[in-house]
Amino acid sequence: GAVVSQHPSRVICKSGTSVKIECRSLDFQATTMFWYRQFPKQSLMLMATSNEGSKATYEQGVEKDKFLINHASLTLSTLTVTSAHPEDSSFYICSASRDSKSPLHFGNGTRLTVT
Amino acid sequence: AQKVTQAQTEISVVEKEDVTLDCVYETRDTTYYLFWYKQPPSGELVFLIRRNSFDEQNEISGRYSWNFQKSTSSFNFTITASQVVDSAVYFCALLNNAGNMLTFGGGTRLMVKP
Repeated sequence: GAVVSQHPSRVICKSGTSVKIECRSLDFQATTMFWYRQFPKQSLMLMATSNEGSKATYEQGVEKDKFLINHASLTLSTLTVTSAHPEDSSFYICSASRDSKSPLHFGNGTRLTVT
Repeated sequence: AQKVTQAQTEISVVEKEDVTLDCVYETRDTTYYLFWYKQPPSGELVFLIRRNSFDEQNEISGRYSWNFQKSTSSFNFTITASQVVDSAVYFCALLNNAGNMLTFGGGTRLMVKP
């Protein structure tokens, strides 16, 4: 069964609104979770590394104020796309692992469509 | 800095053919981890294999096999007797020793035709 749960799987929102995506590790604690973005027919691009209890580390070119990441507990990280625009439409995926020696598990992804 | 290159963007084969997906990586770490993931049309990522850099033993799992060559920094993936259900995008990825940087290759879209 899934060890990382991502919700929602699909979301359609209007331009200017905010959308929150949740990533939960179901049977393990993850001090670090990763958020990726995937455009159609392209590779996964790391957006940010989410660290429990501290600020997320964002990759170059990713707007911190637009993609808010909160890792409030060892089993939950959230990504909020603020003031969404059509160009934010994409497939967002999170991943987590117990530690660096364990496999990374991915959520099933969230397909965001901004109209 | 680390980098993963999957030179084949698309491969098309006929069912029952064998196919090899190439993966070449660059890293300064002496210890690192390599992965292969499958992404079917539905979008989710399916974990296939994880390999430590200090374990060069090749691995076989059913129709899947992996050839890890540290000397050439390659971690190739072979599907034997391909099936239509193998059609997907396959990603090779590299995780650094600290476990905080996962870099994906560009992916290889495999199309298996009946």
